[in-house]
Amino acid sequence: DAGVIQSPRHEVTEMGQEVTLRCKPISGHNSLFWYRQTMMRGLELLIYFNNNVPIDDSGMPEDRFSAKMPNASFSTLKIQPSEPRDSAVYFCASSLYRGNGYTFGSGTRLTVV
Amino acid sequence: QKEVEQNSGPLSVPEGAIASLNCTYSDRGSQSFFWYRQYSGKSPELIMSIYSNGDKEDGRFTAQLNKASQYVSLLIRDSQPSDSATYLCAVDAGANNLFFGTGTRLTVIP
Repeated sequence: DAGVIQSPRHEVTEMGQEVTLRCKPISGHNSLFWYRQTMMRGLELLIYFNNNVPIDDSGMPEDRFSAKMPNASFSTLKIQPSEPRDSAVYFCASSLYRGNGYTFGSGTRLTVV
Repeated sequence: QKEVEQNSGPLSVPEGAIASLNCTYSDRGSQSFFWYRQYSGKSPELIMSIYSNGDKEDGRFTAQLNKASQYVSLLIRDSQPSDSATYLCAVDAGANNLFFGTGTRLTVIP
């Protein structure tokens, strides 16, 4: 089991540029979650999918953020245009069913300068 | 608004002592409760889950749940320096969604 795979591990970009974060969930898991973690706000849920369908995107901070899950094995989180306040660690997590807890990926550390 | 509150840290305990981490939650309908450990610069790792009132033990870790008081705790016996991390409480918010607390940083002093 390779776990949840995220790429890239680190991303440094200039303000105004487009950023795309990628996630491959554990095979067979039917739920996928995108979180953002900062020192000030802790873990914040941005959006989650059940069976590839977005269920709740109320945590997406602005229209600059978008997420897709075209199939059961791949999801992207896109920020366009990026801003310095988007700097954070972005985690993807997946789970098999309710009450089973999540498995997190290693995260993407995003720095927008 | 569903909330998960954890006792303010940081918490420091000497090696070999018991570390006690506490969490309260606001949604009475929550059915599943989890503790995650996060080392600095790493991702959260699931270490305990509990679903019924009472205690659940796994090695040096004991999770305690009291649904009437909306309270979850994690006890770490014989604390080791390797237990130094941030511990996150997470509560099932329905529809396979979890709410996380802000975490308690634990330092075990050799």
